Amino acid sequence: DAKTTQPTSMDCAEGRAANLPCNHSTISGNEYVYWYRQIHSQGPQYIIHGLKNNETNEMASLIITEDRKSSTLILPHATLRDTAVYYCIVRPWAHSGGGADGLTFGKGTHLIIQP
Amino acid sequence: DSGVTQTPKHLITATGQRVTLRCSPRSGDLSVYWYQQSLDQGLQFLIQYYNGEERAKGNILERFSAQQFPDLHSELNLSSLELGDSALYFCASSVAPDWKQFFGPGTRLTVL
Repeated sequence: DAKTTQPTSMDCAEGRAANLPCNHSTISGNEYVYWYRQIHSQGPQYIIHGLKNNETNEMASLIITEDRKSSTLILPHATLRDTAVYYCIVRPWAHSGGGADGLTFGKGTHLIIQP
Repeated sequence: DSGVTQTPKHLITATGQRVTLRCSPRSGDLSVYWYQQSLDQGLQFLIQYYNGEERAKGNILERFSAQQFPDLHSELNLSSLELGDSALYFCASSVAPDWKQFFGPGTRLTVL
C-alpha cells in the first residue's frame, strides 16, 4: 500500500471548517483514499473514501487533487466532539471475494477543536 | 454504535497465562479483522477471516491465533502472555461492496 504523510497535530476553532491534509505521492491507479478517526481509545470510525472524484457524506468532504498525490478531509463545522486522531489510509480496491486486507494505520493527525 | 460487539471490555491477567477475546460482527458481515493498539506500536493489523477461513495475516505473533465460527463470530486467542502484550485489541467487520470496516469498542488487556 502507498505510504501517507500527515501533520502530527492541528488545532481548529469550534464552528470553523477543519481541513486535514494528507500526502500520498506514491499512490497507484487502483488505490483508494480512506479516512478514519479514533476518538480517545474508542474503536476507529470510518469517515469517507474516494478514488479521484471529490466525495461528500453526512460527516465530511474529501477533496482529492487531480494528480491524486494528495487529499484534504474537510469537517465543515467542527465541534468539540470532532477532537480525535484522523488517519488517512491508501489501499487497493477489493474486487475479489473476501474483501480487502487489513488497514495499515500510520500515526495520523491529532485534531484538537478549541472552544 | 458500530454494531460490532467485543467481550470482555477489560481483562487483567498474569504473564504466562492464556486469554480469549471474543468478537461479534455486524449482522451480515462476513469479514472479521483483528487489530492491536499499543502505546509504542500504534494500531496494527493482526489477522483477517472471511466466512470462516483465514484470509490475510498481518503482524500476528505465533503465540496468537484466531478463528471464525459458523455463526461468524470470531475469537482471538493469546497465549504465553508477556508484559508487552498489554494493549487494546479491536475487532472490525466489513461487507461488500465497499468493504469499509466497522470497529468494535475494543478489549483492554493488561498483563501483570
